[in-house]
Amino acid sequence: TQLLEQSPQFLSIQEGENLTVYCNSSSVFSSLQWYRQEPGEGPVLLVTVVTGGEVKKLKRLTFQFGDARKDSSLHITAAQPGDTGLYLCAGEFVYRGTASKLTFGTGTRLQVTL
Amino acid sequence: GAVVSQHPSRVICKSGTSVKIECRSLDFQATTMFWYRQFPKKSLMLMATSNEGSKATYEQGVEKDKFLINHASLTLSTLTVTSAQPEDSSFYICSARKENNQPQHFGDGTRLSIL
Repeated sequence: TQLLEQSPQFLSIQEGENLTVYCNSSSVFSSLQWYRQEPGEGPVLLVTVVTGGEVKKLKRLTFQFGDARKDSSLHITAAQPGDTGLYLCAGEFVYRGTASKLTFGTGTRLQVTL
Repeated sequence: GAVVSQHPSRVICKSGTSVKIECRSLDFQATTMFWYRQFPKKSLMLMATSNEGSKATYEQGVEKDKFLINHASLTLSTLTVTSAQPEDSSFYICSARKENNQPQHFGDGTRLSIL
């Protein structure tokens, strides 16, 4: 069973601060995705990283995939109240032929206050 | 593009009722659909993988007779919670994927409350 542990579980910061969320596993994934979820809604894909060591930037968000493709991090610069939400990493793994599925991380709830 | 619609968004019913949740891919054909369950303040847990025209593959610990999944067409999958009980109350989310190696697109979820 693939497990993805996220840390911290909960983070409350003020607007303008920086933060990093970690996603760790002992399993290797073919790709890793980051999502943000608002209450009562489905998760929305932020980014997919595929190559070990890959770094992707999305405005103030920087995503990194570990060299061994077992872990990832999400760094937010100058957080804003609009960044508030549940952040989920999800590892994709192939279990039969080309069939794959996602295992979601434990989640990090971010609250950004004025 | 890649819109997934889930219906209903919220349902409240009595114990013993069977409840059907629909998941539709509106602008693409989905060879695979997935059903997830999410408890309050928790992450998504995969319940089953559904391929069009074949039986669903359930994750360990998920009762296939309790959670019936049908994927009759490339744009529609349904999840039926049979004889629902209060412990089945949860947020159920579906996703659809056009092909392997392509991203999953998620619906907005269904909040099920069993009284």
